[in-house]
Amino acid sequence: QQQVKQSPQSLIVQKGGISIINCAYENTAFDYFPWYQQFPGKGPALLIAIRPDVSEKKEGRFTISFNKSAKQFSLHIMDSQPGDSATYFCAASPDSNYQLIWGAGTKLIIKP
Amino acid sequence: ETGVTQTPRHLVMGMTNKKSLKCEQHLGHNAMYWYKQSAKKPLELMFVYNFKEQTENNSVPSRFSPECPNSSHLFLHLHTLQPEDSALYLCASSQEGGGARETQYFGPGTRLLVL
Repeated sequence: QQQVKQSPQSLIVQKGGISIINCAYENTAFDYFPWYQQFPGKGPALLIAIRPDVSEKKEGRFTISFNKSAKQFSLHIMDSQPGDSATYFCAASPDSNYQLIWGAGTKLIIKP
Repeated sequence: ETGVTQTPRHLVMGMTNKKSLKCEQHLGHNAMYWYKQSAKKPLELMFVYNFKEQTENNSVPSRFSPECPNSSHLFLHLHTLQPEDSALYLCASSQEGGGARETQYFGPGTRLLVL
């Protein structure tokens, strides 16, 4: 119940395409869902986060879509660029007193 | 130096060695974390310190020993490690409280290889 399942494990997208990474959870108490981006040789960095009171949040080319009934959330990267090549982690937490539960990561490669 | 720094960046040690990993944050944060990152696995939270006090220990083996002398520095002392402990060890910090809603700022990690 405390897991966050992330898919796919790896993803190759052509430049200009849409990259989609999915995460699913079981614990209905989760109410904070961040995405972190990690470049090679660097630590993860917060990209975007969402609370379940909204179904979508957009920041530039990055959009989180949230489906509360399905207990799923996804990251969409529009107009994907080679500079977006990185590993992406979703995470979730039931409230501020608990630590994040992390997905296993998706290695994204954007081909020029 | 800005952000979160970690030294060394790479470390090779034998199973009988004793070594320490160092983390320093220059962000004025009060919470610091150690994570273990293994390929194709979720980040594993090891320890959390909040205002220098340990608030989380996720059943980490005693061969890993954390130390937080002040809010800016965090150490991970290693002894008698096993080959399965080989991984990337990440340090992170957050503003205060160590709660999940806070943005965590990560260092680049120490790549550890245990022979």
